This record gives sequence, structure tokens and C-alpha cells, in this order.
Amino acid sequence: DTGVSQDPRHKITKRGQNVTFRCDPISEHNRLYWYRQTLGQGPEFLTYFQNEAQLEKSRLLSDRFSAERPKGSFSTLEIQRTEQGDSAMYLCASSQITGGPHSGNTIYFGEGSWLTVV
Amino acid sequence: QQQVKQSPQSLIVQKGGISIINCAYENTAFDYFPWYQQFPGKGPALLIAIRPDVSEKKEGRFTISFNKSAKQFSLHIMDSQPGDSATYFCAALSYNTDKLIFGTGTRLQVFP
Repeated sequence: DTGVSQDPRHKITKRGQNVTFRCDPISEHNRLYWYRQTLGQGPEFLTYFQNEAQLEKSRLLSDRFSAERPKGSFSTLEIQRTEQGDSAMYLCASSQITGGPHSGNTIYFGEGSWLTVV
Repeated sequence: QQQVKQSPQSLIVQKGGISIINCAYENTAFDYFPWYQQFPGKGPALLIAIRPDVSEKKEGRFTISFNKSAKQFSLHIMDSQPGDSATYFCAALSYNTDKLIFGTGTRLQVFP
């Protein structure tokens, strides 16, 4: 399967602990996104990368959150000092931008990483 | 601020019927409108998408109707099947910002 891969799929952690999620995008995709989804809601944008450059961060991403894409391939999302409000599904997505605006941007999502903070 | 409004919140349809989900947007800068299907415990899967230069796009049993002047678009599922039971999200994106803005979702249940 060559889709977006996320690991781990489920994580239960105690409040105050740090957690890290990994995302492997579709091969050759130059854009990688992180979204967060809570129960009964649509996904909300957190941040995205063009190759290794982080282009934008949402105001939802507090200082406790950090994302990296060091070699322009896989990405990690780390949450420090987790809080119960961080419990959600963290979705990674990727796309291939081939040209300027309107050149096409089909965004594919992974299966998500469920985080439960107890 | 809810930039993409989706309705209904839930929908029950009999097998073989037509399912219709509606979305409205506010930002005229949006220029790409995808629909995603999500099963419990899974990530959203792209179903069909449309750009505002066309009024309709059909792929198999799924059709998007787009009304640019009204800033509305809808998903029609023809001959609905129990396997279509899932949550459907409309979304909108501006290529300038490259951020998908999702609706709140519609839970579709198709009964045999």
C-alpha cells in the first residue's frame, strides 16, 4: 500500500507526558499537512510543509506542539506536557503540487493517530 | 467562524434512494471543493471534487452540483447502498492558502 502511513494508530498517555506521532506521506508528494479531528467534528488544519519548510502554523498549534519534516520525506508531530484537551485524532495528509495555483491539489489523508490523554 | 456550513447533520435513507447533502460557503476565494467519506476509526477518503468553473461533476453514483452565485454545493448519492453508510464531509480550499476548511459532517445511514 502506498498511501499515507501514520504511526502509532493509537496512543494512551498520562497527562503531562510527551507524545510523538510519525507520518510517512505518499512517495514523491512534496506537501505534507497535519490536521486534528475531535469526535463529531470535521478535521481542523494545524500546519503544513512544502518539502522540509514549514509554511504555516494554525493558532490551534500551541507552544507545546512542534512539527518537523527534516529531510522533506516523513514528518513528526510532538506534543509536550499533554493535556486532556489534546485528546483527538491527529491526521496527516499529503499532496503533490506540480505547478502554480489551480494546477491541482488533491489531498490524501492517512488513517490517523488516536490520542487519549488520561 | 464557520466558513463552510453543512446540512443535514444526519440522514437516513432507504436502500436504492437518493442521499443529498448540502454545503454553503462564505469565502469567495475558495476555488476547490472536495467531498470526503469517513468510516468510524478511519481517516477521511477523497470521494469526488469540483472546481468552480463547472456546475456539475459526476463519478459513478456520486454527483456534485455547484452553484457559484449562491455559494452552495451539494453531494448527491444515487441508488444509495448500505455500504455508503458513513460520515460525509464537504470541504473548501483556496490554492493561495492551501488549507482545507471542513464542514461539520453528515452521518448517513442507509437501511436495506
